[in-house]
Amino acid sequence: GAVVSQHPSRVICKSGTSVKIECRSLDFQATTMFWYRQFPKQSLMLMATSNEGSKATYEQGVEKDKFLINHASLTLSTLTVTSAHPEDSSFYICSARNRLAGRKEEQFFGPGTRLTVL
Amino acid sequence: DAKTTQPPSMDCAEGRAANLPCNHSTISGNEYVYWYRQIHSQGPQYIIHGLKNNETNEMASLIITEDRKSSTLILPHATLRDTAVYYCIVSPGKAAGNKLTFGGGTRVLVKP
Repeated sequence: GAVVSQHPSRVICKSGTSVKIECRSLDFQATTMFWYRQFPKQSLMLMATSNEGSKATYEQGVEKDKFLINHASLTLSTLTVTSAHPEDSSFYICSARNRLAGRKEEQFFGPGTRLTVL
Repeated sequence: DAKTTQPPSMDCAEGRAANLPCNHSTISGNEYVYWYRQIHSQGPQYIIHGLKNNETNEMASLIITEDRKSSTLILPHATLRDTAVYYCIVSPGKAAGNKLTFGGGTRVLVKP
């Protein structure tokens, strides 16, 4: 089956530092990956669409200079939270869609990365 | 994307069928109905999706009404591991860049 991994699974950092989160599709190629954020007891909120070889598309209200997205290959997208602050503490989840999925529309989600900013 | 309405929570008995309703009265003709679930502190898991016809796979069945304004996800024999938040999402798929907009979902608790 299609597997998406994220690294790290948990990260604790000091306020003001930057944190990079990786999202990998392990057994398929993904031209498009998505990044979500989930606060405690809330639903997932789409932050941005990561497109291989081009700039990411950010949802309204998401600062592109704060959440840097790079999708350098068909199997890897990274999200960098720059100058992190305590309010950025959240559960970050990526998803990917198999570029060869054809009519199949499902996305596969990673296990998530829990970021805690002190 | 059309919005969906789901009950915030429901309990079901282990071994029994769980029927999860979803209303999507403003669904457009090109929008699919997707179901995902999220077990605590994990990423969402795809369950099933459909457009007009009822669908069945190894996990669940999806029943879509003829007018497509509502649907029901059926877990045929619920187990304790089915305890999760279940999200019903409508989206035109590729036409919307394959974006998924998550609502509040239904928190399902399977009890022994």
